[in-house]
Parts: sequence; structure tokens; C-alpha cells
Amino acid sequence: QVQLVESGGGVVQPGRSLRLSCAASGFTFSSFGMNWVRQAPGKGLEWVAVISDEGGDAHYADSVKGRFTISRDNPKSTLFLQLNNLRAEDTAVYYCARRRNSCFPVCYYYMDVWGKGTTVTVSS
Amino acid sequence: DIQMTQSPASLSASVGDRVTITCRASQTISRYLNWYQQKPGIAPKVLIYATSSLQSGVPSRFSGSGSGTDFTLTISSLQREDFATYYCQQSHSIPYSFGQGTKLEIK
Repeated sequence: QVQLVESGGGVVQPGRSLRLSCAASGFTFSSFGMNWVRQAPGKGLEWVAVISDEGGDAHYADSVKGRFTISRDNPKSTLFLQLNNLRAEDTAVYYCARRRNSCFPVCYYYMDVWGKGTTVTVSS
Repeated sequence: DIQMTQSPASLSASVGDRVTITCRASQTISRYLNWYQQKPGIAPKVLIYATSSLQSGVPSRFSGSGSGTDFTLTISSLQREDFATYYCQQSHSIPYSFGQGTKLEIK
């Protein structure tokens, strides 16, 4: 079945780095844009980054721009998020989510498949 | 950047009630508005996309409406499994922003 499984979370000190992965299965990964969304403890959802289906186009939230990098390996059906120079406020559950578009005829984007999330804790 | 504001922040209701949640965008977003449901400890799930299109498998008691800057999510007859937190999200322009959420609780 269609599935996304995140990994790579953990406890890390401020200023250090972490790399998250999201393994996709059950669909043609290279046909879909992909997102990262995070949720700090007890807080709402925050969109983090998006990457196009072929990986050539990526965009970020202002809060992570210059520190995080989204990338993908289509032959391995895997999405990545490189987190550098981590701060306490980056502590959150990080979800990967598939970007679906529905065109009639204007194209509308939404996130239709989500992983269970991986937890990143930034603490000294 | 587009700011999304939901109201109310929390809501108490009973099984069978009709409930409406409102989402307002800081600038016009046409119909680029999605609604998600999240239960504690579980990933969000899309309910409605493009303002009023029901995602496959979502019960028809959920509906969405609006255009421009003002949008609503309506649950026509609350069921026990609907008690959750609901988020709106705009996909008009990057950064794709979410509302702060509306927590729907049992009265």
C-alpha cells in the first residue's frame, strides 16, 4: 500500500546537524512533489519545505532557510531533509507528506499521504 | 507571506451537532484552501482540498466552502470519531501556511 516512513530523528545539541530520511513505497515516487511539515510539542503544524518531482526546484519556510536542505533520490524512492545549525526551536515531530495535485483545469496542491513522523529534540 | 487565522481556537460540541469552523487568509487565495484533521499522536489526514472537494474515503458529513479570503469547514452531524484538531492550509503560494488549529472537544 502507499506508505511513507520517516527515520533519522534523535536528540542533538544546539548547533549540530541531523539528516532525516523518508522512504516511500506503493507509488511512483518520481511522479510526486514532496513536503516536510513539522509540529513542535503541543503546537500546530508548520510547513517546512517542498521539492519538485524531479528534484530541481525546492522552497523553504523562512524559519529554516539557509539551515535546512531538502533533497531526494528518486531511484531509491527516498526523500531527505538535512538539518544544520539546529536550534531549540527546531524541536518537533517531522512529517514527510506527498504533494498531490488535482487539476480541473487549474491545479490545486494538497498533502494526501503522510508518514508517522520522526522526532527531533534539540537540547544541550 | 500569507497568514491563516482559524476561529474558534477550541469548540465544545455534542454528538449529532452541526459544527462550523472558519479560516481567514490575510490575502486572497482564490480556492487554494485545504482542511486536515489530526488526532493526538497521529499524522494529519486531508479531508477537503481546493476549498470544497472531498478527499476519497472521507464521509460526506464533511463539507467546505468559501473563496477569496474566507472559508468554512462544516461537519453536518458530529460523530464520536470527529473529535480532533482541524487545520486549514493555503496552497496558493509558498510558504504553504497552516492555520493555528481548532480543537473540537466533546461537550
